[in-house]
Amino acid sequence: DSGVTQTPKHLITATGQRVTLRCSPRSGDLSVYWYQQSLDQGLQFLIQYYNGEERAKGNILERFSAQQFPDLHSELNLSSLELGDSALYFCASSVGELTYEQYFGPGTRLTVT
Amino acid sequence: AQSVTQLGSHVSVSEGALVLLRCNYSSSVPPYLFWYVQYPNQGLQLLLKYTSAATLVKGINGFEAEFKKSETSFHLTKPSAHMSDAAEYFCAVSDRNQAGTALIFGKGTTLSVSS
Repeated sequence: DSGVTQTPKHLITATGQRVTLRCSPRSGDLSVYWYQQSLDQGLQFLIQYYNGEERAKGNILERFSAQQFPDLHSELNLSSLELGDSALYFCASSVGELTYEQYFGPGTRLTVT
Repeated sequence: AQSVTQLGSHVSVSEGALVLLRCNYSSSVPPYLFWYVQYPNQGLQLLLKYTSAATLVKGINGFEAEFKKSETSFHLTKPSAHMSDAAEYFCAVSDRNQAGTALIFGKGTTLSVSS
């Protein structure tokens, strides 16, 4: 158990819908990262937040957005969902802004039908 | 830009045999390198990391990796495979060109262990 929690574990929704994935980092960690794991793209970095502010951005679609709240939990919002958005979404956390050791949550499996 | 190549998407070994999973990196700056393991239906667990200290890095579960700058490699080894080592293994490099610390992952290697 890494100490990073993600809810829900599974999510099934239809194309065109909007969903919100939630992540709580390990106690004391200020950075939260979101990754997408799919069969064709592998593991891809989406976005990093540090203490409430966006720090780094990867291959995140415009239909996706994220935020980190004052209590440091983070939410990833996915809208206008397409079949290709079906994937495992991981949240990770680390102590600092430039800390390289990241701890991963169990993931949320999103299925778009 | 940093990148990682894992040679061999699938490696099969017998229980007790040597495990060797290959990883080559490309980086314009001294890299920070990682190996993660993913068991079925679970998240990623950090096995070990190289952050420019000792070139031979020991991790959990008997795994170790050696950083070889001349070969731009960071191969993962374990002297004797156990059935419980069957999982998917990911090599990653830290993208230090960004303000943050994104990890760039390889495509993964599935390790199968037979009795």
